[in-house]
Amino acid sequence: ETGVTQTPRHLVMGMTNKKSLKCEQHLGHNAMYWYKQSAKKPLELMFVYSLEERVENNSVPSRFSPECPNSSHLFLHLHTLQPEDSALYLCASSQRGVYSYGYTFGSGTRLTVV
Amino acid sequence: TQLLEQSPQFLSIQEGENLTVYCNSSSVFSSLQWYRQEPGEGPVLLVTVVTGGEVKKLKRLTFQFGDARKDSSLHITAAQPGDTGLYLCAGGNAGNMLTFGGGTRLMVKP
Repeated sequence: ETGVTQTPRHLVMGMTNKKSLKCEQHLGHNAMYWYKQSAKKPLELMFVYSLEERVENNSVPSRFSPECPNSSHLFLHLHTLQPEDSALYLCASSQRGVYSYGYTFGSGTRLTVV
Repeated sequence: TQLLEQSPQFLSIQEGENLTVYCNSSSVFSSLQWYRQEPGEGPVLLVTVVTGGEVKKLKRLTFQFGDARKDSSLHITAAQPGDTGLYLCAGGNAGNMLTFGGGTRLMVKP
């Protein structure tokens, strides 16, 4: 039990599908993050939410749409993805503003776009 | 843009050997964190160092933060197969935004 739960663990979708990834944390953290992890690339920060407000969007294509309805839940809505979007998508939470505080990651969603 | 370079990228050793992984940057960080990631799972925090020159030990793992807070190293003594995984360093700034290195993939053979 990592404290951050991601569903689904695996997802295969066609390029015309619409799907959503879900992340949930009950650690009392005030920040949540979406990361993309591809083979042979460093972890790529996609979105940051602090106190339910988006504070960073790292030039992510509009086919990825985040949603943070409250401090415990984070979604990543996907539509018309490309095969190169296949990757492990990781959610994390932390206590923003405390520079020594570690991130708690979920187990990730392995996404395959066909 | 702050960048962190890890070396080596890949390391394959026999059980019982020692190893060191390096994490280098031209930027100064408020903190340096090390994570370990196993296949099919997310990264798990191992340690956070915040003071230049700081050394922390976690059983057979020794972590050091450079005096100038720009680099760090992870030393594993007598590696075991259970140490196999992807080791990630991450530099933190005052707002606790992390910059991750590219990772070191370690395989320890029995």
